[in-house]
Amino acid sequence: DIVMTQSPDSLAVSLGERATINCKSSQNVLYNSNNKHYLAWFQQKAGQPPKLLIYWASTRESGVPDRFSGSASGTDFTLTISSLQAEDVAVYYCQQYHTTPWTFGQGTKVEI
Amino acid sequence: QVQLKESGPGLVKPSQTLSLTCTVSGGSISSGSNYWNWIRQPAGKGLEWIGRIHTTGSTNYNPSLKSRVTISVDMSKNQFSLKLSSVTAADTAVYYCARFRLSLPSFDSWGQGTLVTVSS
Repeated sequence: DIVMTQSPDSLAVSLGERATINCKSSQNVLYNSNNKHYLAWFQQKAGQPPKLLIYWASTRESGVPDRFSGSASGTDFTLTISSLQAEDVAVYYCQQYHTTPWTFGQGTKVEI
Repeated sequence: QVQLKESGPGLVKPSQTLSLTCTVSGGSISSGSNYWNWIRQPAGKGLEWIGRIHTTGSTNYNPSLKSRVTISVDMSKNQFSLKLSSVTAADTAVYYCARFRLSLPSFDSWGQGTLVTVSS
């Protein structure tokens, strides 16, 4: 299985400040045929299902605020919230869909 | 916008079979451009992909659960289902059904989730 390791497990950020979440895959998740990383980011608020934020490592899902961005470098991935808002308090997960079994990171809790 | 909703018993006895159904509305499950998935989340923990089905009937299961899992689809009812046999307390979790779209690959639609507790 491809293991997804997120860091940190939790972080506290002031309103309006930047939040950075890291995710590392144990194997390459780059699909050679289209040169895209098969990596997604989700936001999960308390009592709710996960919500898709980013796919292909850096493509924002329709309707997601542009303060959310994703980047990739090899097997290292980053989700950045450029200016944290109160409604961004949640647990964030990375997930690879390159190889089954599809796997998720352990989650990063973002607090104010 | 497609919507998914899980249904089934909230309490299952140990060693019995957990059975859940996901009803899809706002779109046809028979479209070949999606996978239909089950994912679970124990309380306070992370997400575990259980498996998926395509409308061709092709399935893929997580090897950690493969011997106990069956996912099936009923296109006439626009539903797909999960059966997990020989359950133990470790199978207690919120179970989600989710659509994986193949066009812009990702889990783009999720049900609200249903809590299944395994207890005698």
